[in-house]
Amino acid sequence: DIQMTQSPSSLSASVGDRVTITCQASQDISNYLNWYQQKPGKAPNLLIYDTSSLETGVPSRFSGSGSGTDFTFTISSLQPEDIATYYCQQYGDLPHTFGQGTNLEIK
Amino acid sequence: EVQLVQSGAEVKKPGESLKISCEGSGYNFTAYWIAWVRQMPGKVLEWMGIINPGNSHTRYNPSFQGQVTISADKSISTSYLQWSSLKASDTAMYYCVRSPAGGTFDSWGQGSLLTVSS
Repeated sequence: DIQMTQSPSSLSASVGDRVTITCQASQDISNYLNWYQQKPGKAPNLLIYDTSSLETGVPSRFSGSGSGTDFTFTISSLQPEDIATYYCQQYGDLPHTFGQGTNLEIK
Repeated sequence: EVQLVQSGAEVKKPGESLKISCEGSGYNFTAYWIAWVRQMPGKVLEWMGIINPGNSHTRYNPSFQGQVTISADKSISTSYLQWSSLKASDTAMYYCVRSPAGGTFDSWGQGSLLTVSS
């Protein structure tokens, strides 16, 4: 299985801060990488697909970049409603696998 | 509006069988794959397997192969996840998700919480 190493596992930042989360794949997955947001008690929600494409309706402060094995997810200006856990997910090979998640809190 | 509506919470005993459901609406059910994702309490997301409702072609995560069965009935736009003999370690939230091309999960069900306890 492709292992997805996500960091940090938790993050505390202030409203308005730029926040960055990284995800490293154990082998080349091209651009087959998605990012999801999960708020407490809710199902995950797709934010970014194919590394850098913004899902319809998702605010433009969210973005993604990378290729191969190294990927980055950025929130350009953190908002209070962004408090959630964020997961990367690869679909370069079966089984599709997720990172362990980043728990984002407001400082 | 695209919706995936899952069956409700279940409390079962070890050794019992169970089939949970996921009904799709608001889109062409056979045009998208349906995947099942497990989330154990406080744990990460795990891809269990995926089915093409149009032809019932199914792929499983080897970690779940033989432990669960994924199926679909396109006539009622519903996918199923079933167990023949539950274990306490099956306690988790289970999500069905819609996938346009097998890899990206663009719409999620609300989740079905399964508790297995003697």
